[in-house]
Amino acid sequence: AQSVTQLDSHVSVSEGTPVLLRCNYSSSYSPSLFWYVQHPNKGLQLLLKYTSAATLVKGINGFEAEFKKSETSFHLTKPSAHMSDAAEYFCVVSDRVGGGSQGNLIFGKGTKLSVKP
Amino acid sequence: EAGVAQSPRYKIIEKRQSVAFWCNPISGHATLYWYQQILGQGPKLLIQFQNNGVVDDSQLPKDRFSAERLKGVDSTLKIQPAKLEDSAVYLCASSLITGGPYNEQFFGPGTRLTVL
Repeated sequence: AQSVTQLDSHVSVSEGTPVLLRCNYSSSYSPSLFWYVQHPNKGLQLLLKYTSAATLVKGINGFEAEFKKSETSFHLTKPSAHMSDAAEYFCVVSDRVGGGSQGNLIFGKGTKLSVKP
Repeated sequence: EAGVAQSPRYKIIEKRQSVAFWCNPISGHATLYWYQQILGQGPKLLIQFQNNGVVDDSQLPKDRFSAERLKGVDSTLKIQPAKLEDSAVYLCASSLITGGPYNEQFFGPGTRLTVL
């Protein structure tokens, strides 16, 4: 079965410093992996996705993630944090029910990112 | 483009009462999902519809939860009777059906349910 583990429940950085949110996955086949962001009182928004193309994936708002099969990792990074990045971030793996393209999403427990001025 | 709409945004009920949530997906999206997000956890899929048919309801507690999407557009999720552990945010999402490997799910703002 597919699963993801987010290694930190809370990360705090200063504005302008790099962000690193860690995620490890478990999958019996080549996975599709995603990062979603959830701002308070707002819906989940897709940041980026990996679907077996380039291993370095660029997303919105300057975020990127690298798929490392040897380490079963998909860490999310950003060179310079902004105050507006403060939110909860979810690492997600797609569970392809019946082998079809309509995979279900399996979410990690989330990492809350705080950005200090 | 309008997003996924959900109502109500907040609901407080007592245990053993009934409650219903409504979701209107993005126009043209054939697939609709209901998720439960308990505080401190990631969302968990409850049920997936494609048009008006159920694709996956393996994690839906069918003794108390029910959902329908009668005309293949909007959907209702019901809990009857509610338990304390049902306190959570209920998220609705929708997606297109295409031939690609993944169809992005667009999420609504959620309904926060508190069971007292």
